[in-house]
Amino acid sequence: GGIITQTPKFLIGQEGQKLTLKCQQNFNHDTMYWYRQDSGKGLRLIYYSITENDLQKGDLSEGYDASREKKSSFSLTVTSAQKNEMAVFLCASSIREEQYFGPGTRLTVL
Amino acid sequence: GEQVEQLPSILRVQEGSSASINCSYEDSASNYFPWYKQEPGENPKLIIDIRSNMERKQIQELIVLLDKKAKRFSLHITDTQPGDSAMYFCAASSSSGSWQLIFGSGTQLTVMP
Repeated sequence: GGIITQTPKFLIGQEGQKLTLKCQQNFNHDTMYWYRQDSGKGLRLIYYSITENDLQKGDLSEGYDASREKKSSFSLTVTSAQKNEMAVFLCASSIREEQYFGPGTRLTVL
Repeated sequence: GEQVEQLPSILRVQEGSSASINCSYEDSASNYFPWYKQEPGENPKLIIDIRSNMERKQIQELIVLLDKKAKRFSLHITDTQPGDSAMYFCAASSSSGSWQLIFGSGTQLTVMP
């Protein structure tokens, strides 16, 4: 077994601020993902990475940067937080198709 | 981009009855179809999946059916319990990128006692 941890659990930012979310996994999975989930809605892919230092854009990459510093960690940066934005950012990892999710970071922008 | 349509978005059933959620996909190359359950404030958890070499899979009260010709798959929960109340997401693998999944928009299931 393994675990995915995301930090912080809650993130409150100001409009225009640059915000960074972090994800760590100890499954030794190759591929990691960042999704955005708006309240009551489905998951939209922001970025994914198939190995260390790799980065692939998802459908929702505009307004975000990501970095796969090492196999176990994948960070996401909101380049300029939008006023009144509220969403959950979910990190996931997979060794093939089966994706396992972290607990999420809940973002609120004031 | 590729889409996965999921219906219904809201489903209410009586305890002990069955619940069915239907999904359709566009990419005929999709070959992996997982289902996730998400409880309030929690992360999505994989509950059952099916691959394109199968038409039916059952794990306890969960049944998944896959119709590749029609590009449809469905989740059936038999003998529902209040603990089955949650958001359910279907997904289909994408041929456009390594191990990408395209998610449906979710079904909020409520099992009424």
